[in-house]
Amino acid sequence: TQLLEQSPQFLSIQEGENLTVYCNSSSVFSSLQWYRQEPGEGPVLLVTVVTGGEVKKLKRLTFQFGDARKDSSLHITAAQPGDTGLYLCAGDEYGNKLVFGAGTILRVKS
Amino acid sequence: NAGVTQTPKFRILKIGQSMTLQCTQDMNHNYMYWYRQDPGMGLKLIYYSVGAGITDKGEVPNGYNVSRSTTEDFPLRLELAAPSQTSVYFCASMGYSRSIKDTQYFGPGTRLTVL
Repeated sequence: TQLLEQSPQFLSIQEGENLTVYCNSSSVFSSLQWYRQEPGEGPVLLVTVVTGGEVKKLKRLTFQFGDARKDSSLHITAAQPGDTGLYLCAGDEYGNKLVFGAGTILRVKS
Repeated sequence: NAGVTQTPKFRILKIGQSMTLQCTQDMNHNYMYWYRQDPGMGLKLIYYSVGAGITDKGEVPNGYNVSRSTTEDFPLRLELAAPSQTSVYFCASMGYSRSIKDTQYFGPGTRLTVL
C-alpha cells in the first residue's frame, strides 16, 4: 500500500492569513483528491487533480499536483472561520481504491 | 436522492458482541467501500466491492466481513467485537466512467464504541 504523508497535522491561524497544506508520497498516483470533513460528517470532495503540474482553483483555494504526480498542495488565501475543518488528501491507487493521508486539522480564529 | 445512508449513527457494544453496520446508496453506483477513521490516522480501507456479488479486502480487513447481494446495499459485519474496533466507520460509493475520474460519496458515519 502506498503511503501519503500530510503536513502539518494541525494549523491554527487568524482570519485573513494564508496557509499551505502539503501531501507527499514516494509513489506515483493516477490522480489525487482533496476532501474537507466537518465534525460528525463524512468527507466531501473538493477537487481531483489528474495531470502532473496541474493547478486548479476553487475560489480562495488553490490545488497543485506535482509534476511527477507524487505530491500535492492546497493553498488557502485569506482564510475565514468557515474554512475550519479537517482536510484530507487521497491518492488513487490504479484500481479504484483511495489511500488517505492522516489529515490536517485547520482552525481559523476570528 | 438520499445519497449514501448509514445506520446506526451511534452504537456501544460489549466485547464479544456482534453487529452489522448498514450502508445503502441510491445512485446505482457499482463501487462501494467501507473505511474506518481513527483520530489522527486518516481513513483506512476495510473492504470494498466493485459490484453485486464481488467483494475484496482492503488494508485492515481482520475482524470484519462484508457481503454485496444487491447494488444498493453493502453491510459490514463485526462478529466478535474488540476494543480495537472502536472507531468511526464510513461507507462510500462511486460510479464509474471511463472518461473522468468519479467521486467517492461518503455517508455520515457510524460511531462505534466497544467496551
